[in-house]
Amino acid sequence: DTAVSQTPKYLVTQMGNDKSIKCEQNLGHDTMYWYKQDSKKFLKIMFSYNNKELIINETVPNRFSPKSPDKAHLNLHINSLELGDSAVYFCASSQRDRGSYEQYFGPGTRLTVT
Amino acid sequence: DAKTTQPTSMDCAEGRAANLPCNHSTISGNEYVYWYRQIHSQGPQYIIHGLKNNETNEMASLIITEDRKSSTLILPHATLRDTAVYYCIARDDKIIFGKGTRLHILP
Repeated sequence: DTAVSQTPKYLVTQMGNDKSIKCEQNLGHDTMYWYKQDSKKFLKIMFSYNNKELIINETVPNRFSPKSPDKAHLNLHINSLELGDSAVYFCASSQRDRGSYEQYFGPGTRLTVT
Repeated sequence: DAKTTQPTSMDCAEGRAANLPCNHSTISGNEYVYWYRQIHSQGPQYIIHGLKNNETNEMASLIITEDRKSSTLILPHATLRDTAVYYCIARDDKIIFGKGTRLHILP
């Protein structure tokens, strides 16, 4: 009965590789997000999709491409991985049309680029 | 967007009420005050939010001053499991996390 799930939980890969992280929510929410938390523990929003449409796109390298096949899924694909991409990536969801932004977060994916 | 200011860290004895302050002096009329927390190695967890009135739920109470320039999150009976980083956020469109307050619950 997990609300927001992410796979994989851990991802270790080499520089230059391409990898994807998957996120699924079973809350029936219409909006999903990707956040990055770096080694200094700052949590920064990267993208947000509402009903499969991109609504927030912060200053993120083009190597990062989110894809939302449906409202319940928001995947993050990263091309040409760099050392600086090492971080914990969190997916979240919310129901925007309620007028508030109460977000539910997944457990995170720890990405290590070597 | 309103900037929030929180103490870097706080201690609270187990069983006592933990009162976490937050200043948001530039908050605008349509910006809600949100509180989240992040327990070590977990995803952030929503706690509570409010606009003008004080709010209470099963986790905490939120006290917002009449001028809305500051608020206090109250955990009525802190337990060791409440040890976490607590984030106060004042936004109307997207959640922006600051540095938060690291709350240590002391046995």
